[in-house]
Amino acid sequence: KNEVEQSPQNLTAQEGEFITINCSYSVGISALHWLQQHPGGGIVSLFMLSSGKKKHGRLIATINIQEKHSSLHITASHPRDSAVYICAVRGNRDDKIIFGKGTRLHILP
Amino acid sequence: GAGVSQSPSNKVTEKGKDVELRCDPISGHTALYWYRQSLGQGLEFLIYFQGNSAPDKSGLPSDRFSAERTGGSVSTLTIQRTQQEDSAVYLCASSLFVYRTYEQYFGPGTRLTVT
Repeated sequence: KNEVEQSPQNLTAQEGEFITINCSYSVGISALHWLQQHPGGGIVSLFMLSSGKKKHGRLIATINIQEKHSSLHITASHPRDSAVYICAVRGNRDDKIIFGKGTRLHILP
Repeated sequence: GAGVSQSPSNKVTEKGKDVELRCDPISGHTALYWYRQSLGQGLEFLIYFQGNSAPDKSGLPSDRFSAERTGGSVSTLTIQRTQQEDSAVYLCASSLFVYRTYEQYFGPGTRLTVT
């Protein structure tokens, strides 16, 4: 079993829909990252969370430390949101980063 | 300011040759990471450097892989006697501190193809 699991693996939605991507992890962490990787390969860090909730524009990230779960939400989705979204956790024992396999999101116009 | 830069952006090499990949982190960032992303696969941690401390090499897949960071800034990832399974995008990231609460900034990556 992977230490970081994401769901769904693939998601296709219509423009305007509310999107939720989930991440569950099994290790103790000090922080959780949400990353966005565009088709060209570039990676952008969206959020870093250690507790609670963060919002940036149409993106919202939440984390529940007790349940070892985080969600990334996209409101009013747009085709330019199409990308792979990667959850990554930083272990609290060795600071190493463990990546999920990513969620491929495709927003149709 | 300038972000993390990597060179070359693309590298095609023949099996058995050595390659060097370069990463220029953001100025002032003390932590530097190398990752690998093989085709259709997730990101894989390779190595990280923090300041002048000995690097954590635990993610390096074989002894053909090595990395160094000179002067606490530029880093070079070297792959000796390349194999076809080394074909991947190699990503570098830097952060202000390695500990816990600082974000990583990723470079554009180097796409390595071993023929």
